Amino acid sequence: NAGVMQNPRHLVRRRGQEARLRCSPVKGHSHVYWYRQLPEEGLKFMVYLQKENIIDESGMPKERFSAEFPKEGPSILRIQQVVRGDSAAYFCASAKGDRGYTEAFFGQGTRLTVV
Amino acid sequence: DAKTTQPPSMDCAEGRAANLPCNHSTISGNEYVYWYRQIHSQGPQYIIHGLKNNETNEMASLIITEDRKSSTLILPHATLRDTAVYYCIVRVGMSGGSNYKLTFGKGTLLTVNP
Repeated sequence: NAGVMQNPRHLVRRRGQEARLRCSPVKGHSHVYWYRQLPEEGLKFMVYLQKENIIDESGMPKERFSAEFPKEGPSILRIQQVVRGDSAAYFCASAKGDRGYTEAFFGQGTRLTVV
Repeated sequence: DAKTTQPPSMDCAEGRAANLPCNHSTISGNEYVYWYRQIHSQGPQYIIHGLKNNETNEMASLIITEDRKSSTLILPHATLRDTAVYYCIVRVGMSGGSNYKLTFGKGTLLTVNP
C-alpha cells in the first residue's frame, strides 16, 4: 500500500471518550481522503483534504467528527464523545494531486472499537 | 461519477485466469476506469486504471471496450491470495474541486479455489 501509515492500528475507547486517528500520507502526496467501513458494509467516503484545506466533507457526520491536514504533520480524524455506532474501520488514502489522473493509495486502517 | 455494475460474486480455479466484468454505460469521455481490491480486513489496494486503451501491469490487465461502456479486469494466473472484493470505479481526472474522491460500490467477491 505504497507507504500510507495509519496509527494506531487498533483503538479501543469507552463511550463518551475522544478518538484521534492519524494518517501519514506517502511522501510528496498532498491529498488525503478518509473512508469509513462499518462491519460487513462497504467503504464510505467521509472527507477529502489538501494541505490546510478541507475540500469535500460531504460524507462527514454533522456532529462530533472533524478532520484536519496541517501544513506539517499527519492528517488527523477526530471523533468526539464516541458512541458504539462509531465502531468501524477507518481508512486513509493519499494521492499526489497533480493535474490529470493519479491513483490513491490506502493505509491499513485503524479499527476503532467503542465499548 | 458514473455508476458501475458488477456481479456480486465469482469463483475461479487457482492457476486459471480470472475475468471480472464491469458495466459503466453512463461513463463520460473524461472519466477513467479504476480497479481496486480489498483483501479481507486490509486497506484497499490499487490495481490498475485506464481511459480508453487497454492497460497491463504486473498485477493485471484492463480491457476497455471501444465504446467504453464496459471493461474487464483480467488476473492472468489467479492464486489463493487473490481472493478479495474487487471494485470497479469510474472517476473524472483530477481537474480540481471535489471530483477526486473514489466512490466504492459493492464490488465483486472473487473466490479463488484450490
